[in-house]
Amino acid sequence: DTGVSQDPRHKITKRGQNVTFRCDPISEHNRLYWYRQTLGQGPEFLTYFQNEAQLEKSRLLSDRFSAERPKGSFSTLEIQRTEQGDSAMYLCASNERESYNEQFFGPGTRLTVL
Amino acid sequence: AQSVTQLDSQVPVFEEAPVELRCNYSSSVSVYLFWYVQYPNQGLQLLLKYLSGSTLVKGINGFEAEFNKSQTSFHLRKPSVHISDTAEYFCALNQAGTALIFGKGTTLSVSS
Repeated sequence: DTGVSQDPRHKITKRGQNVTFRCDPISEHNRLYWYRQTLGQGPEFLTYFQNEAQLEKSRLLSDRFSAERPKGSFSTLEIQRTEQGDSAMYLCASNERESYNEQFFGPGTRLTVL
Repeated sequence: AQSVTQLDSQVPVFEEAPVELRCNYSSSVSVYLFWYVQYPNQGLQLLLKYLSGSTLVKGINGFEAEFNKSQTSFHLRKPSVHISDTAEYFCALNQAGTALIFGKGTTLSVSS
């Protein structure tokens, strides 16, 4: 059990560019969650998957955001036409059906949009 | 709508002193309650959770929390803190299988 991993850990981009983040959950965890955490705030839910199906999306997930989990394993979160307001820590978490009450978090990807 | 309110944004304390981090929640249905800790530039680590049963929950690193349904609170306590407890602490809730709803966090600063 290597834990949840995220790549990259840090990303600096210019406004208007597209960025993509990857999350590898704990193996055999069928649920995967994305959260966004801005400075001085708690994490806010963006979306989650059960296997490859995206079950829920927050209103925070604008049309510029898209998430996929094509084979029910790793997931990607893409932000198109980044804005300075997208600067945040993007956290991924996973869990399994037997322990839906606990989510295991990755180290996060810190995005800075200049 | 469900929400979590952490009543203190910053809590400074001296080493070996006791500490309480306060958390109130709002929900019209039964929920699960959690405390997570976040060290600088890291993800969140679960300290403890309340699912059902005994209202006093013990977690890792000597922390404990008490669920109080009538006061809709889930305060975190530690009888004697260490420098290494300096971190951001988040209270959160959810229903089974759903996304977590977090409070804004409490920064615990332990000094010698």
